[in-house]
Amino acid sequence: NAGVTQTPKFQVLKTGQSMTLQCAQDMNHNSMYWYRQDPGMGLRLIYYSASEGTTDKGEVPNGYNVSRLNKREFSLRLESAAPSQTSVYFCASSRQGQNTEAFFGQGTRLTVV
Amino acid sequence: LAKTTQPISMDSYEGQEVNITCSHNNIATNDYITWYQQFPSQGPRFIIQGYKTKVTNEVASLFIPADRKSSTLSLPRVSLSDTAVYYCLVLNSGYSTLTFGKGTMLLVSP
Repeated sequence: NAGVTQTPKFQVLKTGQSMTLQCAQDMNHNSMYWYRQDPGMGLRLIYYSASEGTTDKGEVPNGYNVSRLNKREFSLRLESAAPSQTSVYFCASSRQGQNTEAFFGQGTRLTVV
Repeated sequence: LAKTTQPISMDSYEGQEVNITCSHNNIATNDYITWYQQFPSQGPRFIIQGYKTKVTNEVASLFIPADRKSSTLSLPRVSLSDTAVYYCLVLNSGYSTLTFGKGTMLLVSP
């Protein structure tokens, strides 16, 4: 069972470069999320998609864009990377609604130099 | 959304029972209490969820008093592999997002 798959697992970018983090789930979930986690911190929500065709900002959306390509895939794009975006990024999915179990990917460790 | 308060860290030894308490004074009628566990370098994973009284599964037990203003996650006979961050969340089906605090860092020593 693949669950939630994130690519890449590791990435180093130079300041100003752009990249897209990919996320796919095979559980037919409606809701998908992107979080970032900085050392010693909890997870902070960047963007979420409650259902296919919709996206909404979370707590820290600045500097990011998202695309809910279809029900399976939810990508996160950094248009012009900054050192402050160095973090571990987690994608998650759930059936729908807060109180359904969310499944997380293994994370993407991004370093911006 | 209900705010949660839990200890920043806890220490234990192998074989002991660990109880992590979470306060959620302004919990609403339709809110559920949910706990997630996060190992280093991994994403969080769901442990247990409850509405009231007691819930038990193969991993943990969740105790919720009648007023539901707090809850206690109980881990029986912890091992080194239970070292992780534990997050308490109060969730409502009417909302679409999961908001994580800083959680409780549990360190289990030999």
